[in-house]
Amino acid sequence: DVKVTQSSRYLVKRTGEKVFLECVQDMDHENMFWYRQDPGLGLRLIYFSYDVKMKEKGDIPEGYSVSREKKERFSLILESASTNQTSMYLCASSFPGTGNYGYTFGSGTRLTVV
Amino acid sequence: AQSVTQPDIHITVSEGASLELRCNYSYGATPYLFWYVQSPGQGLQLLLKYFSGDTLVQGIKGFEAEFKRSQSSFNLRKPSVHWSDAAEYFCAVVREYGNKLVFGAGTILRVKS
Repeated sequence: DVKVTQSSRYLVKRTGEKVFLECVQDMDHENMFWYRQDPGLGLRLIYFSYDVKMKEKGDIPEGYSVSREKKERFSLILESASTNQTSMYLCASSFPGTGNYGYTFGSGTRLTVV
Repeated sequence: AQSVTQPDIHITVSEGASLELRCNYSYGATPYLFWYVQSPGQGLQLLLKYFSGDTLVQGIKGFEAEFKRSQSSFNLRKPSVHWSDAAEYFCAVVREYGNKLVFGAGTILRVKS
C-alpha cells in the first residue's frame, strides 16, 4: 500500500527551538506539500516542492522553511518555534499535472510549542 | 483567486438518515474538485473527485457528489449514514496554476444513534 509517512505523531517543543518535521513518501511522486491545519481554517499551504531541491512558497510561509534533498523526503523546518505555530501539520504528495491523481496525505504531526 | 466555502461548520444526523454536505467554489474555468474525509487523529483520505464528464460522481464508502456549474456547487451526499461516518469532511479545488489544492474550512459530521 502506498504511503506518506510523517516521523512524529506528537511533538512538544519550547519557544525558540529549531524544529524539524520529516515526511517520506514511497510512491515516486514529484510533488510534495506541507499544510497546516487549524480549527475553522481548514488546511493552509505552507510550502510545496515539485522536484528535488525545488520549492515554492505557499500561502503562509512566514516562520517556516523546507528542504528536499531527495525525491522521497520533504522536511519542514521551524527556524525558531513560536506558540502561534502550535498546530497540526500535514504532509502530502502527488504526481505532477493539474490534480489528476489527487493527493496522498500522511497522518499528521500535532506540534505543541510551549 | 480560487476559493472554497463550506457553509456548515457542524452537522448532526441520525444514523440511517441521509446526508448532504455543502460546498461552493469560486473558479473561472472548469474546476477540478475533491472531497476528503479526516477521521479523528488521522490524515485525509480521498473520497471522490470530479474533473469533467458526468456531473454525478461516485466515491468510496457509499458517497457521491454532484457538480452543478450553475450553482458553483459540489455537494457531497450519502443516502444512509453509518456511525463510522463521523469525521471531518473537506472540499477542495485545484488552483489555476500548479498542482495545489485549496481547501474549505471543513464540516464536522456527528452521527447520533
